[in-house]
Amino acid sequence: AQKITQTQPGMFVQEKEAVTLDCTYDTSDPSYGLFWYKQPSSGEMIFLIYQGSYDQQNATEGRYSLNFQKARKSANLVISASQLGDSAMYFCAMREGDTDKLIFGTGTRLQVFP
Amino acid sequence: DSGVTQTPKHLITATGQRVTLRCSPRSGDLSVYWYQQSLDQGLQFLIQYYNGEERAKGNILERFSAQQFPDLHSELNLSSLELGDSALYFCASSVVGFGHNEQFFGPGTRLTVL
Repeated sequence: AQKITQTQPGMFVQEKEAVTLDCTYDTSDPSYGLFWYKQPSSGEMIFLIYQGSYDQQNATEGRYSLNFQKARKSANLVISASQLGDSAMYFCAMREGDTDKLIFGTGTRLQVFP
Repeated sequence: DSGVTQTPKHLITATGQRVTLRCSPRSGDLSVYWYQQSLDQGLQFLIQYYNGEERAKGNILERFSAQQFPDLHSELNLSSLELGDSALYFCASSVVGFGHNEQFFGPGTRLTVL
């Protein structure tokens, strides 16, 4: 069963606008963690933001915020004030229970245009 | 720069051959993870080592093996290579082997099997 679903293969956004990248997950474990990574064309994986299942507040890191809706099992990434350098693949990932392995979604390719 | 190093950056080899990929974790990180990124399978967890011992196993083929040495660097050995093994192989590291802690990824080794 698909554990992490990213339904948007590609997204376009204009520079300085905000964009939301969708992620839904499936787990029966009450303890889990959700991560977002960015993969530019150069190939490296860059950690962006983390949300724990017991965290009361939505995570924020600079221009990145995570819209965590537990009941809907969604963990959408919001990028505010998009920049050309934000163009990349974005992956949502989940860690279940006390394991450390990450399960990744299929990714969303974001393109920021001037 | 995540602080995780991987060598070599690129590797081209033939079917049936054996290769070794090397990873040095960030200073102080005890846990090392290996992931495979391919067009067919996406990003998949292969195996995790924590302080020299295998901690978790994912979709790792029997032809693949890994180890973590006393100095904490890790090697992933791929043998009897097939065309389908062509992929980007990532190593990641984290401070501990459980709970909330982000995994920092290396730049990857791109393996091409001809």
